[in-house]
Amino acid sequence: QSVLTQPPSVSAAPGQNVTISCSGSRSNIGNNYVSWYQQLPGTAPKLLIYDNNKRPSGIPDRFSGSKSGSSATLDITGLQTGDEADYFCGTWDTSLSAVVFGGGTNLTVL
Amino acid sequence: QVRLVESGGGVVQPGRSLRLSCAASGFTFSSYGMNWVRQAPGKGLEWVAVISHDENNRYYVDSVKGRFTISRDNSNNTLYLQVNSLRAEDTAIYYCAKSGHGKKVTTTNFDYWGQGTLVTVSS
Repeated sequence: QSVLTQPPSVSAAPGQNVTISCSGSRSNIGNNYVSWYQQLPGTAPKLLIYDNNKRPSGIPDRFSGSKSGSSATLDITGLQTGDEADYFCGTWDTSLSAVVFGGGTNLTVL
Repeated sequence: QVRLVESGGGVVQPGRSLRLSCAASGFTFSSYGMNWVRQAPGKGLEWVAVISHDENNRYYVDSVKGRFTISRDNSNNTLYLQVNSLRAEDTAIYYCAKSGHGKKVTTTNFDYWGQGTLVTVSS
């Protein structure tokens, strides 16, 4: 049971948009920055979003992040087949003094 | 370019120990916090530990406290994870990950990851 809650799977057609949610509490998302990671099959995770809504260089603006209260969302617009992957949210938990991740969301581009 | 290369994984019996290493290059290693994150087969990510740039701060996930020790050698640009009293549930790919926020350890801005090293705990 992960501290952060994500939907196990989402799906959409190429060209459509999708939103992945990440729900937590005041001790984690509510008071700390959120990051998002993309993990393609058989590879290491890749940073997509940090500090709630910032993109590292090289990440297309089709990927965006936001936070409100104790929840965060990752939006992906103009889906491509290459976006099929697992997506994880993560943040620091002040009460646990630890990093916590969501259980991951598997994105299928139909 | 930044490169992180893990090593030291393998098949080990329950109760035994291993030392994992992560060789870093392409950045000023001594200026950044470093993390270990693991992923059991077919499962999600689990953060294991973080160490500050100067070794003065270390944090661990509860399930490894007292068994795992994170350390670093800034003169050799290497991160370590000593894993003792291994259990079946420690079976996972272990990744090292660089903090993108420099000296801050309470962050999940992990901007670079290694390819991982597999630890299998089995009798």
